[in-house]
Amino acid sequence: DSGVTQTPKHLITATGQRVTLRCSPRSGDLSVYWYQQSLDQGLQFLIHYYNGEERAKGNILERFSAQQFPDLHSELNLSSLELGDSALYFCASSPSGGLASDTQYFGPGTRLTVL
Amino acid sequence: AQSVTQLGSHVSVSEGALVLLRCNYSSSVPPYLFWYVQYPNQGLQLLLKYTTGATLVKGINGFEAEFKKSETSFHLTKPSAHMSDAAEYFCAVSDSGGAQKLVFGQGTRLTINP
Repeated sequence: DSGVTQTPKHLITATGQRVTLRCSPRSGDLSVYWYQQSLDQGLQFLIHYYNGEERAKGNILERFSAQQFPDLHSELNLSSLELGDSALYFCASSPSGGLASDTQYFGPGTRLTVL
Repeated sequence: AQSVTQLGSHVSVSEGALVLLRCNYSSSVPPYLFWYVQYPNQGLQLLLKYTTGATLVKGINGFEAEFKKSETSFHLTKPSAHMSDAAEYFCAVSDSGGAQKLVFGQGTRLTINP
């Protein structure tokens, strides 16, 4: 158990809908990262938040947005969902605000299925 | 831009045999390198990482990896495979001079034959 929690574990929804994925980092960790894992794209970095502020963006679609709240939990919002958004979404956390050498601790993931 | 190539999407070894999973990276700055393991229906767990210093890095579960700058490689090895090692393994690189994001290889699925 990494100490990172993600809810829900599974989400099934329809095209065009909007969903929210939630992540709670390990106790004391200030950084939260979101990754998408799909069969065709592999594991892709989406976005990084540190102590409530966006630090880096990766291959995140404009239909997707994220935020980190004062209690440090984070939410990833996916809207106007398409079939291709079906994937496993991971959240990871690390203690610092951007040390590239830091270990990122991954949650169990949320499996999103868009029908 | 950084990239990671894992040679072999599937590797199969016998129980007790040497495990060798290959990873080559591309980076314009000194890289930080990581190996993660993913068991079915679970998240990623760090096996080991290289940041600076000793180029032979020991990790959990008997795994180790050697950073070879001249070969831009970071291959993962284990002397004797165990059935419990069956999983997907991901090599990743992060940029020591830039944003803290991990760039992952495509993964190698390791199968252990009894």
